[in-house]
Amino acid sequence: GAVVSQHPSRVICKSGTSVKIECRSLDFQATTMFWYRQFPKQSLMLMATSNEGSKATYEQGVEKDKFLINHASLTLSTLTVTSAHPEDSSFYICSASGANTEAFFGQGTRLTVV
Amino acid sequence: DQQVKQNSPSLSVQEGRISILNCDYTNSMFDYFLWYKKYPAEGPTFLISISSIKDKNEDGRFTVFLNKSAKHLSLHIVPSQPGDSAVYFCAASRSGNQFYFGTGTSLTVIP
Repeated sequence: GAVVSQHPSRVICKSGTSVKIECRSLDFQATTMFWYRQFPKQSLMLMATSNEGSKATYEQGVEKDKFLINHASLTLSTLTVTSAHPEDSSFYICSASGANTEAFFGQGTRLTVV
Repeated sequence: DQQVKQNSPSLSVQEGRISILNCDYTNSMFDYFLWYKKYPAEGPTFLISISSIKDKNEDGRFTVFLNKSAKHLSLHIVPSQPGDSAVYFCAASRSGNQFYFGTGTSLTVIP
């Protein structure tokens, strides 16, 4: 079946630095990618939706300058958490969807900002 | 290696009847489970969750059952409505860390 690879699975960074998370579709062309954030034992919160080659659409309350999303190709989208702070520590998950496929999830990235 | 499996790719149910979506997992260390639904051209949305300390969680028309010994969970929708037609994903994790998702079951509720 289709596979979405998310990297890294865990990252620890210092406060004030930036962290990039990659989401790759391995065997299909992902025309749309979704980025989610999950706090412990809570539901996934959609952060933004990106279509290949265009700017991401952010959900209300999500800072676009802090969470930079790039979807430059049909197999790769990146989420960059800029100037990270401890409150950004969370679990981030991507989901990729192709033109004729359902959405497939990455395994998530545990970000810890110290 | 698929650690979470949804063996039924599709399901059709008459409006008003019960929809039962099934999910099996292989890792006995999983302790948190979720169901998501996805409409065409939209991202997945959270539906309901259950932790391993419970065997049932109910939210309106949606109930999730967890059978730890069988490593099986199911989502019951009663009564089913045409608006419930969507793809449903189950997911499992250990202590809220790395998540493993099933491949989804497409539910069609027939009016």
